[in-house]
Amino acid sequence: EVQLVESGGDLVQPGGSLRLSCTASGFTFSDFGMSWVRQAPGKGLEWVSGISYTGNNTFYAGSVKGRFDISRDNSKNTLFLQMNSLRVEDTAVYYCAQGYGALDSWGQGTLVSVSS
Amino acid sequence: DIQMTQSPSTLSASVGDRVTITCRASQSISNWVAWYQRKSGKAPRLLIYKASSLETGVPSRFSGSGSGTEFTLTISSLQPDDFATYYCQQYYSLVTFGQGTKLEIK
Repeated sequence: EVQLVESGGDLVQPGGSLRLSCTASGFTFSDFGMSWVRQAPGKGLEWVSGISYTGNNTFYAGSVKGRFDISRDNSKNTLFLQMNSLRVEDTAVYYCAQGYGALDSWGQGTLVSVSS
Repeated sequence: DIQMTQSPSTLSASVGDRVTITCRASQSISNWVAWYQRKSGKAPRLLIYKASSLETGVPSRFSGSGSGTEFTLTISSLQPDDFATYYCQQYYSLVTFGQGTKLEIK
């Protein structure tokens, strides 16, 4: 069974940084592209970033490009999202998902709150 | 950026009804569309990929169709478990989600 477990969410001040992690199990992590998707309070789903199975190709939504950095460690079955220059509007539950097209499986999410 | 316009935003229906949700893309995206079901407190569930392919384990009452710019998700006979929010998604160029359709009990 595919399991994706996010961690690292926290309360942070505007302008601050945070690093999210997603630990994968139940599938061959190194064979799949991965994505981060977020959902702000009362809003819909917003794709944030994707990464190829090797990690050589990365993709970002315009709203986070230049501030967020996606990476992966295939030896540890772990996906990361480094978030810098955080804004109030980045407040959301962040989900990692298997794939970077159709998203087959999702984690339960980790909450990031950006507030002074 | 490709925009996905989903309608309606809310849909009231009864058990046994046939319902259709529509998504329109701002440009042609071939058949690179997926549909998800989202229940409160749960992770989204992939229902349909490549516009019309049913994900493994998804009941056959769910179906998807369309290509180019117009796409639909149809539930042939609503079951109590189907009341949820549904999202379309394009993955032709990066990824964009529609705004969501909340399916409510009439």
